[in-house]
Amino acid sequence: DAKTTQPTSMDCAEGRAANLPCNHSTISGNEYVYWYRQIHSQGPQYIIHGLKNNETNEMASLIITEDRKSSTLILPHATLRDTAVYYCIVNAGDGANSKLTFGKGITLSVRP
Amino acid sequence: GAVVSQHPSWVICKSGTSVKIECRSLDFQATTMFWYRQFPKQSLMLMATSNEGSKATYEQGVEKDKFLINHASLTLSTLTVTSAHPEDSSFYICSASFSGRVTGELFFGEGSRLTVL
Repeated sequence: DAKTTQPTSMDCAEGRAANLPCNHSTISGNEYVYWYRQIHSQGPQYIIHGLKNNETNEMASLIITEDRKSSTLILPHATLRDTAVYYCIVNAGDGANSKLTFGKGITLSVRP
Repeated sequence: GAVVSQHPSWVICKSGTSVKIECRSLDFQATTMFWYRQFPKQSLMLMATSNEGSKATYEQGVEKDKFLINHASLTLSTLTVTSAHPEDSSFYICSASFSGRVTGELFFGEGSRLTVL
């Protein structure tokens, strides 16, 4: 069963913010929200994760709603190199054996 | 972040032959490695989880005798596709984790594209 739902695709203009939504209405209290991305023909790349609070790093910001049923990944100034499939994953992250299950993700196309 | 390297990045082989793909953690000790497979325009599908020094745990529907996984050291895991057939052509990706990891951050290799003729 899918734990997250994402739109199939979206696009944005280069230099603008890209806001990628994710619904995870059945998330458990101990589950984190993770975002990975996969550029064509490469392995996935970790972007960011959060539990309750909003998070920011050098790549992106993660906004989690107060009820934790949805979140938004924000790429503040999208570039052409951000064109990729972005995966939103929920996982308890309990130790080294914790598996990540990838859904279909959202394809972000950044246009010049 | 931690670096995971796969080799080869691509391989072409004849039907019936076996192919070995290596996954190395370059700057940390990977107590656990995960092997994924990805068909064109599809998402990653977890094949198996391997812990150093023990047998791999395979996901339902993955043939353990066809996809041999060895994790003999803390920095190396190998996936051998035995008696490969064209339907095994896919993008194989490994990821690594380490003891003491408390969150779900995984480090992925660059992937290995297998084409079976």
